[in-house]
Amino acid sequence: DTAVSQTPKYLVTQMGNDKSIKCEQNLGHDTMYWYKQDSKKFLKIMFSYNNKELIINETVPNRFSPKSPDKAHLNLHINSLELGDSAVYFCASSHRAGQGEAFFGQGTRLTVV
Amino acid sequence: AQSVTQLGSHVSVSEGALVLLRCNYSSSVPPYLFWYVQYPNQGLQLLLKYTSAATLVKGINGFEAEFKKSETSFHLTKPSAHMSDAAEYFCAVSDGTGTALIFGKGTTLSVSS
Repeated sequence: DTAVSQTPKYLVTQMGNDKSIKCEQNLGHDTMYWYKQDSKKFLKIMFSYNNKELIINETVPNRFSPKSPDKAHLNLHINSLELGDSAVYFCASSHRAGQGEAFFGQGTRLTVV
Repeated sequence: AQSVTQLGSHVSVSEGALVLLRCNYSSSVPPYLFWYVQYPNQGLQLLLKYTSAATLVKGINGFEAEFKKSETSFHLTKPSAHMSDAAEYFCAVSDGTGTALIFGKGTTLSVSS
């Protein structure tokens, strides 16, 4: 029973398309995150939601829009995809924001061609 | 602002040798510190965490880390490397005030027979 699950695992799409990545956690955590891992393996926080409320919104193009329908789900929608968006996107959750370990999903490898 | 510096982007050891991965942090308040491991094409798995209890923290797979406030360090060690330890290792910090984990740039550990 996967704690943090995200779909799809792989996503290949053309420039200009719109795509979504879904994330669900069954840990009962209050906080969920989206991280981006670039080709050099660097992990950067993009967004954080606490009880469905956006609490962190780093410098991310507004083509990226997170949506949290409830505290167990955090989806990421990306409009007008660009080549530079190619990366691995990780969803994570924690009991409280920044006060304990984060549990990560398996990642979604997005390739824009 | 918090930050993490991992010294050495690549560490190579022989099987059975000591593993030492270095991490220095910067935080204006007592930090929460974490080490994560990432195997190829997988998500991040927590190895161990420091949350202001014992300064010597034991984790999974025989790893441990020592929190040294005077040196602002949280180095990861394992007495005897195994081939299966080859992976990417990330140090992360949080100041517990509601922000997300901030990750270092990672260290690739290679283990040779």
